[in-house]
Amino acid sequence: QVQLVESGGGVVQPGRSLRLSCAASGFMFSTYALHWVRQAPGKGLEWVALISYDGSNKFYANSVKGRFTMSRDNSRNTVSLQMNSLRTEDTAVYYCAKEAPIGAATTGAFDIWGQGTVVIVSS
Amino acid sequence: DIQMTQSPSSVSASVGDRVTITCRASQGISSWLAWYQQKPGKAPKLLIYSASSLHSGVPSRFSGSGSGTDFTLTISSLQPEDSATYYCQQANSFPQTFGQGTKVEIK
Repeated sequence: QVQLVESGGGVVQPGRSLRLSCAASGFMFSTYALHWVRQAPGKGLEWVALISYDGSNKFYANSVKGRFTMSRDNSRNTVSLQMNSLRTEDTAVYYCAKEAPIGAATTGAFDIWGQGTVVIVSS
Repeated sequence: DIQMTQSPSSVSASVGDRVTITCRASQGISSWLAWYQQKPGKAPKLLIYSASSLHSGVPSRFSGSGSGTDFTLTISSLQPEDSATYYCQQANSFPQTFGQGTKVEIK
């Protein structure tokens, strides 16, 4: 079935790095943009990053720009989020999400979400 | 950045009630708006995209309307399983932004 499965979360000290992965199955991965969205404990949703279907375009939230890098491997149906210089405020559940299509275009909405992976930044 | 403001922040209603949640964008976003439902410990689920289009498999008691800066999500007849937090999201421009959420509780 159509699914996204995140991995790579854990506990890390401030200033250190962590790499999250998201494995996709059940759909034509190479034709869809993918996003990362996070949710701090007890808080709302925060969009983090986007990578286009072919990896040529990337956008980031101001809060992570210059520290996080999103990439994808269409041969392995995976996207990654390299997180450097982590801060305590990066503590959150990180979700990867797929854009919902409408015909050949995108709706900008996210129709498939992973289960999330927990990142805790603490000394 | 476009700010998304939802109201109310929480609502308590009885089964069968009509519930309306509003979302206001700080600038025009055409119809680039989606609504999600999130239950505790779970990933969000898409309800509505393009402001008023019902996502596949979503019950017809959910509906969305609006364009430009003002949007609404309506649950026409509240059911026990609708207890959740609801978020709007604008996809008009980057960074994409979410509303702060509206918690819907069953009386």
